Amino acid sequence: EVQLVESGGGLVQPGRSLRLSCAASGFTFDDYAMHWVRQAPGKGLEWVSGISWNSGSIGYADSVKGRFTISRDNAKNSLYLQMNSLRAEDTALYYCAKSVAGPFDYWGQGTLVTVSS
Amino acid sequence: DIQMTQSPSSLSASVGDRVTITCRASQGISNYLAWYQQKPGKVPKLLIYAASTLQSGVPSRFSGSGSGTDFTLTISSLQPEDVATYYCQKYNSAPALTFGGGTKVEIK
Repeated sequence: EVQLVESGGGLVQPGRSLRLSCAASGFTFDDYAMHWVRQAPGKGLEWVSGISWNSGSIGYADSVKGRFTISRDNAKNSLYLQMNSLRAEDTALYYCAKSVAGPFDYWGQGTLVTVSS
Repeated sequence: DIQMTQSPSSLSASVGDRVTITCRASQGISNYLAWYQQKPGKVPKLLIYAASTLQSGVPSRFSGSGSGTDFTLTISSLQPEDVATYYCQKYNSAPALTFGGGTKVEIK
C-alpha cells in the first residue's frame, strides 16, 4: 500500500524557516518524480515544487522561487521542502504527492503550516 | 507561463443531471491534462489523466475530453457523492505543473 506521510508543519513567525518532510513507502521511491502542493484555508490547490526521480530536474512556482528548496533522499525514501523567509501568504496545508508520468496518483494527508506573529 | 482557467467556479445541479466543467489553457498543451476531485475535508483524488483516460476505480459516469487548449469534464448523471470541488491540472512541462482554480459542485 502506497503511503505518504508529511511532517514538520507548525506555527512559525514571518521571516523564519521551516523544513517539511515526506516519508514514502509501498512503492519504489526512486522510480518516481515527487511534488509539493499546498492549499490555503478555503482556497484551491497550488502546485509548489517538483523534483524528478534523480533530482536532475526541479521546478518551483513563481510564488516560492528563491525562498523554497525541494530535495529528496532516495536512500531514505524521503522528500523534503526547505522553506525560508516565510510569509503570511505561505500559510496552507502542504501535501506531498507522487507523480506517475505527470499526474499525481497518490497524495499524503498534508501538514499544516501557519505563518503568523 | 501557461494559465489554466476553469468555468464555472461553482454550479448547483439536481441528482441525475448531466454536469459539464470546462478548463481552458492559455497555450496548447496537447492532451497533458488531468482532473482531480476533492471532497470536503479530504485529499484530492485523481479522476482522469491524458485528458480522457479514467483512473482505475473511477465510476464510468465521469468522462473527459479535449485537446490543445479546451477540455471538459462531464458527469453523466450527478450523484450525491459527487459533491466536491474539481480541479484540472496541466502537466506538459514537468516538473512545473499548474492547477486550475477549481469548480465547486453542489446538489440543488
